[in-house]
Amino acid sequence: KQEVTQIPAALSVPEGENLVLNCSFTDSAIYNLQWFRQDPGKGLTSLLLIQSSQREQTSGRLNASLDKSSGRSTLYIAASQPGDSATYLCAVKTSGSRLTFGEGTQLTVNP
Amino acid sequence: DTAVSQTPKYLVTQMGNDKSIKCEQNLGHDTMYWYKQDSKKFLKIMFSYNNKELIINETVPNRFSPKSPDKAHLNLHINSLELGDSAVYFCASSQDLALSTDTQYFGPGTRLTVL
Repeated sequence: KQEVTQIPAALSVPEGENLVLNCSFTDSAIYNLQWFRQDPGKGLTSLLLIQSSQREQTSGRLNASLDKSSGRSTLYIAASQPGDSATYLCAVKTSGSRLTFGEGTQLTVNP
Repeated sequence: DTAVSQTPKYLVTQMGNDKSIKCEQNLGHDTMYWYKQDSKKFLKIMFSYNNKELIINETVPNRFSPKSPDKAHLNLHINSLELGDSAVYFCASSQDLALSTDTQYFGPGTRLTVL
């Protein structure tokens, strides 16, 4: 059974800092890994999707990496801004097309 | 022009009641999903329909019954509501679950409170 863990559970940083969010998964037989953002009281927004054959994806100030063999992914956020404050969720797609989510990292960027 | 919409946004009801949550997507997607997010913010798949056919049915009490009248709609009916059903329920859709690039689009959620 796939399990996804995210560290840290919460993170508070000053504006402008570069930061890394971590995600690990137990079963390396994945189709893809996705990072989502969830704002309070809102649904999830997909940020980046890395296919199992890829090593990383970039979008603006966001860069996500994938090391399938070690079961790890990182989300790097450059030059953080208060508007980046949200919960970031990692999810892996496995057989049966299920998405298994981690519990999220709650990020607060202080002005 | 909301992509995935859910109604209602908030639902407060008494234990033992029956209630429904509706979901609609206007993205032309083939696959729709229901997720439950509990008080600890843990998001877990409940059901998935592809072209109106049930393909994922996790270990969910049979008090929960999804219904897909067409590809654009996936409703969730809950019988005999219990306190533990209180959570936020999210609907999502994706183009083609078989694709490795398949991305899910989420609705805004329905916060269900059972008193």
